[in-house]
Parts: sequence; C-alpha cells; structure tokens
Amino acid sequence: DVKVTQSSRYLVKRTGEKVFLECVQDMDHENMFWYRQDPGLGLRLIYFSYDVKMKEKGDIPEGYSVSREKKERFSLILESASTNQTSMYLCASSPIGSGSFYEQYFGPGTRLTVT
Amino acid sequence: SQQGEEDPQALSIQEGENATMNCSYKTSINNLQWYRQNSGRGLVHLILIRSNEREKHSGRLRVTLDTSKKSSSLLITASRAADTASYFCATEITGTASKLTFGTGTRLQVTL
Repeated sequence: DVKVTQSSRYLVKRTGEKVFLECVQDMDHENMFWYRQDPGLGLRLIYFSYDVKMKEKGDIPEGYSVSREKKERFSLILESASTNQTSMYLCASSPIGSGSFYEQYFGPGTRLTVT
Repeated sequence: SQQGEEDPQALSIQEGENATMNCSYKTSINNLQWYRQNSGRGLVHLILIRSNEREKHSGRLRVTLDTSKKSSSLLITASRAADTASYFCATEITGTASKLTFGTGTRLQVTL
C-alpha cells in the first residue's frame, strides 16, 4: 500500500521560529510537492522537486525553502514563521512517466498554527 | 486567479440521489483529475481523464471533459453518506509536466 507520511498532524509555533515540516514517501517516486491549503483558496503549490537536490518554485514560494537530500524525503522550511503562514500543509508525490499521466499521492496534512 | 473553478461551492443532497459538480479552467491541459478530501485529511485521487478523452467511468463516478468549453463535470450516482467530502478538480497544464493546479473545491453533504 502506497504511503506518504508527514511528521506532525498538528503543530503550534511562535512567530519568528524556524519550522521544519517533513514528508516521507515509500513509493520511490521522483516528484514531490508541498502545498498549502486555505479556506476559499484551494491548494496552492509552494515548491516541488523532481529529483534529489533539485527544486523548483511553485506559485507561492515566498517565506519558504525546501530540502531534498534523499529521494524519499522532502522537507519544507519556514525560516521565520509568521502568522500568515498559519495553514494546512500538504505533501504529495508522483512518479515521472511518459506523458505525465500520473496521479499525486497525498499525505494526511500538517495543520500549522503560528501564534 | 485560479486555473480551476468548481461549481457549485457547496451541494447538499439526500442519500440515493445523484451529485454533479462542474469544473472550468482557463488554459490548454494535458489531463484533468478529480480528488476527494475528507474533513481535515489529505486528498485521495478519484479519476484522471486525458485531454483526448471525452468521458470516463469508475464505479459510481462518471467524468466528462469538453476541451472546447474548457470544462469538466463529475457525476456521483446513487450517493451515500460516506461520499460526504470536498471534491477538487486539478489540471495539468500543457508544458508543465507533473505539476497540478487545483480548484477551490465543492463541498458535498449527503444526508440520510
């Protein structure tokens, strides 16, 4: 059974703290993604990675960075957390395939609150 | 602005009825996918339809795609209480391999 796991379901941090959100997939997928989900805005792509040590900015990368040192692990880093980064964070993975006709597999999400 | 827009934003039906959700998008796509999200959880993939396909079925799900109108619909037949969830369409825009752009979702409530 395919699996994407995220390090925490709920997280509370203070403004200015450095925050690490971890994501691990066991499907040997090349692509990994970080989204944030806010009411009325749907899912918005923060960063994605198509290979180890490779990353590309998504639609809303400001205030975030990522790290992918191993194929199975993709980390999202909030260098200095702010209250407007309070959100649900979702990690996903997918294989690379001809024609890109592949679904994404999602983790359960981390609900981050920054106070 | 969003690539995908779902309509309606919310839908309430009784068990046994059919539920139809619509998705409109703006640019050329490789494929369109529908996902379900149960409250506070991650998304689960339901069905993928390629840009050269017009209709696809999976169990009680039926998806149509009209690329000339840049729209898709998801039909859930004989709905059950367990279908209560949010449903999102996601498009893979041409030239952006593997990246998906999600809509804002339709919240479906199925009552007994």
